[in-house]
Amino acid sequence: AQSVTQPDIHITVSEGASLELRCNYSYGATPYLFWYVQSPGQGLQLLLKYFSGDTLVQGIKGFEAEFKRSQSSFNLRKPSVHWSDAAEYFCAVGANRLNGNKLVFGAGTILRVKS
Amino acid sequence: NAGVMQNPRHLVRRRGQEARLRCSPMKGHSHVYWYRQLPEEGLKFMVYLQKENIIDESGMPKERFSAEFPKEGPSILRIQQVVRGDSAAYFCASSPRDSHSGANVLTFGAGSRLTVL
Repeated sequence: AQSVTQPDIHITVSEGASLELRCNYSYGATPYLFWYVQSPGQGLQLLLKYFSGDTLVQGIKGFEAEFKRSQSSFNLRKPSVHWSDAAEYFCAVGANRLNGNKLVFGAGTILRVKS
Repeated sequence: NAGVMQNPRHLVRRRGQEARLRCSPMKGHSHVYWYRQLPEEGLKFMVYLQKENIIDESGMPKERFSAEFPKEGPSILRIQQVVRGDSAAYFCASSPRDSHSGANVLTFGAGSRLTVL
């Protein structure tokens, strides 16, 4: 069964500093990987996704993530954080299944940005 | 394109009452997923439906919970005889095609937040 681990429950970074949010997954084949962001009281917005090909994927809002098969990781990065990036970030893994493509989510990482 | 529409956004129920949550998928999407987010937890899959058909309900509690997606109208998640532990945010997502053709990106609604007193 698939599973996702986000080791950091909370992360605080200074505005303008770089950011890396960790995500490790467990899945027997090549997974489909996603990062979503959730602002307080809002739904989830897709930041980026990895299906195949280039292991470094670019997303919206200046985010990128790198798929590393050897480490079973899909860490999210941003070179310079803005105060508006404060939110909760979820990593998710999906599978191409015959009966649906449901996602398995990690528990999330809450990002706080200090000025 | 209005996106995935969920209502109500907030619902308060007393223990023992029924809760009905509605989800209208994005235009052109025929697949609906329901997820539950308990406080300080990630989203947990509940059920996956197509029109008039439940495809995967492996995440649904065995009792009191049901879901439908009729030919006409929104998908409904129904919780009977609610208990305090049902208090959560319930998110609906939709996708445009089935999984045979590859990975699908789910588009999420803003969620319905259920509070059971």
